[in-house]
Amino acid sequence: EPEVTQTPSHQVTQMGQEVILRCVPISNHLYFYWYRQILGQKVEFLVSFYNNEISEKSEIFDDQFSVERPDGSNFTLKIRSTKLEDSAMYFCASSRRGGASGTGKGLNTEAFFGQGTRLTVV
Amino acid sequence: GDSVTQMEGPVTLSEEAFLTINCTYTATGYPSLFWYVQYPGEGLQLLLKATKADDKGSNKGFEATYRKETTSFHLEKGSVQVSDSAVYFCALRNGGSQGNLIFGKGTKLSVKP
Repeated sequence: EPEVTQTPSHQVTQMGQEVILRCVPISNHLYFYWYRQILGQKVEFLVSFYNNEISEKSEIFDDQFSVERPDGSNFTLKIRSTKLEDSAMYFCASSRRGGASGTGKGLNTEAFFGQGTRLTVV
Repeated sequence: GDSVTQMEGPVTLSEEAFLTINCTYTATGYPSLFWYVQYPGEGLQLLLKATKADDKGSNKGFEATYRKETTSFHLEKGSVQVSDSAVYFCALRNGGSQGNLIFGKGTKLSVKP
C-alpha cells in the first residue's frame, strides 16, 4: 500500500540553526501539506502546495519557513533559523486532489499522513 | 473562521465499555468531516470520514454520523479494547478552501483491561 514517508524520524538541532524536513508523498498525488503538532496541543495546518507553488498558508508559516519540491518526488520544509518554540512533531501529508475553491462543493479527498518528524530545538 | 471543538480528555474506560467522543464544528459551505487516530509513537491515520449530511462513517467498530442540524460528528464504539488506546482527532475539510484540514485538540483515550 502506498504511503507517505518522512525523514528523519527525529531531529535535534540548536537554536538558530537551519533544518530541512523531508517527505516523499504518494507518487500520483498532486497536493502536498505540512502540519505541526506542538506537544500536547492540536495539529495545526502550516502550508499547502500545488503545481509547484504555495496554494495556502497559515499565520504560523512566516518568513522563517519555506517549502520546495526540488526533484519531483521529495517535498521539503525548511526552517531557516530555528527557535525553541519550533519544537514539535511535523507531519507531511498528500492527497490526490484538494478542495475546489469557490465552488461551494469541494472535491474533497483523503489526505494521507506520514509518520512525522519530531523536531527538538535546544 | 472554521473550527472544530471536541471534548476534553483524557478519557479512561474499562475494556468493553461504550465510547462516545463528542465533536462539533463551525464551518461555511459543505465540509467533509473526519476522525483521525494517533496511536502512541505513530503518525495520524484516517479512522473514518463522512462527506455529506446524514452520512455515517465507520471503521474498526467505530462510527460517526454527520449531523448538519446539530453540526456534530460524534465518535462512538460499542465495546472498546485496550488496543484502542490512542489520541483521537476530529477534523473538517472545507471545500471552499484549498482543502487543508482543521483539527480539534484531540482526545486521549486510555482503555484499561
